[in-house]
Amino acid sequence: QKEVEQDPGPLSVPEGAIVSLNCTYSNSAFQYFMWYRQYSRKGPELLMYTYSSGNKEDGRFTAQVDKSSKYISLFIRDSQPSDSATYLCAMTDTSGSRLTFGEGTQLTVNP
Amino acid sequence: EAGVAQSPRYKIIEKRQSVAFWCNPISGHATLYWYQQILGQGPKLLIQFQNNGVVDDSQLPKDRFSAERLKGVDSTLKIQPAKLEDSAVYLCASSLQRGGQDTQYFGPGTRLTVL
Repeated sequence: QKEVEQDPGPLSVPEGAIVSLNCTYSNSAFQYFMWYRQYSRKGPELLMYTYSSGNKEDGRFTAQVDKSSKYISLFIRDSQPSDSATYLCAMTDTSGSRLTFGEGTQLTVNP
Repeated sequence: EAGVAQSPRYKIIEKRQSVAFWCNPISGHATLYWYQQILGQGPKLLIQFQNNGVVDDSQLPKDRFSAERLKGVDSTLKIQPAKLEDSAVYLCASSLQRGGQDTQYFGPGTRLTVL
């Protein structure tokens, strides 16, 4: 079983839709949770960063962490064609060990 | 602020050949990472340097992969000899300090095709 599971998609939505991206994990030691966005032929860039449980909002993006269910989500409101990319969840524990990434979900927002 | 630089951007080689990739991290970043990203998968850490010392190379196939970070700045990753399954994007990232929780900044990657 993989430590981090992410639905690879692809996901195609119309402009303006609300998008929900999700990851589940098995390692209860994970405390830091990130979402990276990766455009085609580019490196990943950090989008959201959350420590432990709770919600974090940044503009149209909201990250949620439910440690009791080992489940994290990224919501995108009023999605735009410029949001079309692959979204990668990543997580790590407090020891400074390596980031563990999900497989990524490919999102296309159609104008 | 300049980002992480990598070269070359693309490389095509035949199996059993050798190849090297170069990375220049963001100035002042102590930690440097090399990742392998196979098509349709998330990045997998190959090796992590703190300054010029190796912190984690547990997922590096040491029989064919090697990496060095001389003087704690630039780094090179080498594959010798290459196999078909090494076809992937090799990403370099850097962060200010050690620790998976530290924000990592990625370069554009080198896309390797092994024929």
